[in-house]
Amino acid sequence: AAGVIQSPRHLIKEKRETATLKCYPIPRHDTVYWYQQGPGQDPQFLISFYEKMQSDKGSIPDRFSAQQFSDYHSELNMSSLELGDSALYFCASSAKLAGGLYNEQFFGPGTRLTVL
Amino acid sequence: DQQVKQNSPSLSVQEGRISILNCDYTNSMFDYFLWYKKYPAEGPTFLISISSIKDKNEDGRFTVFLNKSAKHLSLHIVPSQPGDSAVYFCAATAYTGTASKLTFGTGTRLQVTL
Repeated sequence: AAGVIQSPRHLIKEKRETATLKCYPIPRHDTVYWYQQGPGQDPQFLISFYEKMQSDKGSIPDRFSAQQFSDYHSELNMSSLELGDSALYFCASSAKLAGGLYNEQFFGPGTRLTVL
Repeated sequence: DQQVKQNSPSLSVQEGRISILNCDYTNSMFDYFLWYKKYPAEGPTFLISISSIKDKNEDGRFTVFLNKSAKHLSLHIVPSQPGDSAVYFCAATAYTGTASKLTFGTGTRLQVTL
């Protein structure tokens, strides 16, 4: 079965540089979520999109922005990178069930961002 | 403010025995709970979920129990297998009508020994 695809898997950047992370959801999933997991920490919600519109926002720095495109893939743009941005970034997708109930979120393998 | 807590950072269980992982939450708005399993360098893998209208959900070797009054849930794995060794995250969400973000616990590392 098709899974969530994230690219790149690994990314190394210098301080103050920019980074773009990409996420391709499972086919027919209309919702994308971004999470950040620091070393030894639990994943923290950043932002989500439903049908290409931002639907919720968590602890996402103003230096970060994201969008969902017409083909439902999403990109997380990170500018003025700081050392503390080094983390695993997960994308997850889900499909809204008939009746409006939520469905389980399926996670991609993550992008490991290292800021030097 | 950790709204979902897993108080045991690690658990060691012998192969064939039962593994019980616990999770507590504080936000009474949470109405849907999930368990994820995570291997190093991989994304969390969905295991099992439970809605707040139920107190038990079973899927093969995995059973999740929910005690709403105590704001507590647990994951039972019977029998435990060496391949179950991983970090297990409890997650909770509140229905919002569209995308429902997950709030994760801090994880429990399960080690299943031979």
